[in-house]
Amino acid sequence: AQKVTQAQTEISVVEKEDVTLDCVYETRDTTYYLFWYKQPPSGELVFLIRRNSFDEQNEISGRYSWNFQKSTSSFNFTITASQVVDSAVYFCALLNYGGATNKLIFGTGTLLAVQP
Amino acid sequence: NAGVTQTPKFRILKIGQSMTLQCAQDMNHNYMYWYRQDPGMGLKLIYYSVGAGITDKGEVPNGYNVSRSTTEDFPLRLELAAPSQTSVYFCASRPTGQGDNEQFFGPGTRLTVL
Repeated sequence: AQKVTQAQTEISVVEKEDVTLDCVYETRDTTYYLFWYKQPPSGELVFLIRRNSFDEQNEISGRYSWNFQKSTSSFNFTITASQVVDSAVYFCALLNYGGATNKLIFGTGTLLAVQP
Repeated sequence: NAGVTQTPKFRILKIGQSMTLQCAQDMNHNYMYWYRQDPGMGLKLIYYSVGAGITDKGEVPNGYNVSRSTTEDFPLRLELAAPSQTSVYFCASRPTGQGDNEQFFGPGTRLTVL
């Protein structure tokens, strides 16, 4: 079965704190893709990153970094020096390779509130 | 490019009414998807299409219908609206090819059924 678990429902931090959002996935596929999306209060879904199952290198983009560990089936997302504009719901998603659907399976999201 | 567009942005329906949620993309993507997002939840796939004339059910298709007569358009039809269909609906598209292509999402349609 394919599943994505985001155990943290809500996180509240004060501006400039670092925060890590957890994502644990389940899949039997050996080739798959992982994504993070941001949903700000305005409601749209903003693509942040994708990672394929053969690339375990961590990635950094500005204040954002991602830690992919196949051994623990995790794809965690860290925001360094958080800002109020980072307040949003963040979704982790899994996509199984192959098949007609290429369906994204979403976690239930983590609501991040950054207080000034 | 406008990307993925959805209309309307908001709609209130009475139980038993019908309506069509419109979705269009101008990126010549073959794959298109409809998701619903219930409060506090992730997105669940309703229907998808891999090209004009081809559609298939996702996880939660009951109460919905779709058609794909052109590459650009992928409307979602609710025939007999029910309160359980109150949700935010997202349309998405992606290019044909490997699975690592990201899905591009529309801005969403917020539907309330009373």
